[in-house]
Amino acid sequence: GAVVSQHPSWVICKSGTSVKIECRSLDFQATTMFWYRQFPKQSLMLMATSNEGSKATYEQGVEKDKFLINHASLTLSTLTVTSAHPEDSSFYICSAIGDWRTGETQYFGPGTRLLVL
Amino acid sequence: DQQVKQNSPSLSVQEGRISILNCDYTNSMFDYFLWYKKYPAEGPTFLISISSIKDKNEDGRFTVFLNKSAKHLSLHIVPSQPGDSAVYFCAASLTYSGGGADGLTFGKGTHLIIQP
Repeated sequence: GAVVSQHPSWVICKSGTSVKIECRSLDFQATTMFWYRQFPKQSLMLMATSNEGSKATYEQGVEKDKFLINHASLTLSTLTVTSAHPEDSSFYICSAIGDWRTGETQYFGPGTRLLVL
Repeated sequence: DQQVKQNSPSLSVQEGRISILNCDYTNSMFDYFLWYKKYPAEGPTFLISISSIKDKNEDGRFTVFLNKSAKHLSLHIVPSQPGDSAVYFCAASLTYSGGGADGLTFGKGTHLIIQP
């Protein structure tokens, strides 16, 4: 099946620094990628939808300037957490969809655990 | 207000028996439903999906049933195995006119524990 990778899988950073998380679709072209955040013992929360070549659509309550999303190619989307704070510590998961005419499955990455000290 | 609800936070089932995980939704516009399995510290893994034109979809030990009038879906795992112990998320989506689906709305998950 299709594979979506995320890098890094684990990151620890100091408060005030920026962290970039990459999401790649390895064997298919992803027209749309989603970014989710999961808090402990809670469901995934959709942060933003990213379509290749256009601006990301952010969900209500998600700060655009805080969480910068770039979907520069059909196989890569990046999420940059700017000026990270301890409350940004979380598990971030991306997912990708290829061409909907050929399938209906959203493939998830393995997630990135961010710890801000 | 939660649009996708999984009312059982946990479920314990004996190995070899049937596991039934339930999910209710409130938005009648949802027309595509998925089940995901998640181990600790990992991303969710897609299990099985169903679109609203069907009422049943089967894949090996996993079967998903959809009752549109009741806005209810369920995942049946038969027979249950120790490796099935995980958190299961139900998710729902709207398909937009371009043929794709919007982001998924997830339930809070049910922790399935398979006992030997």
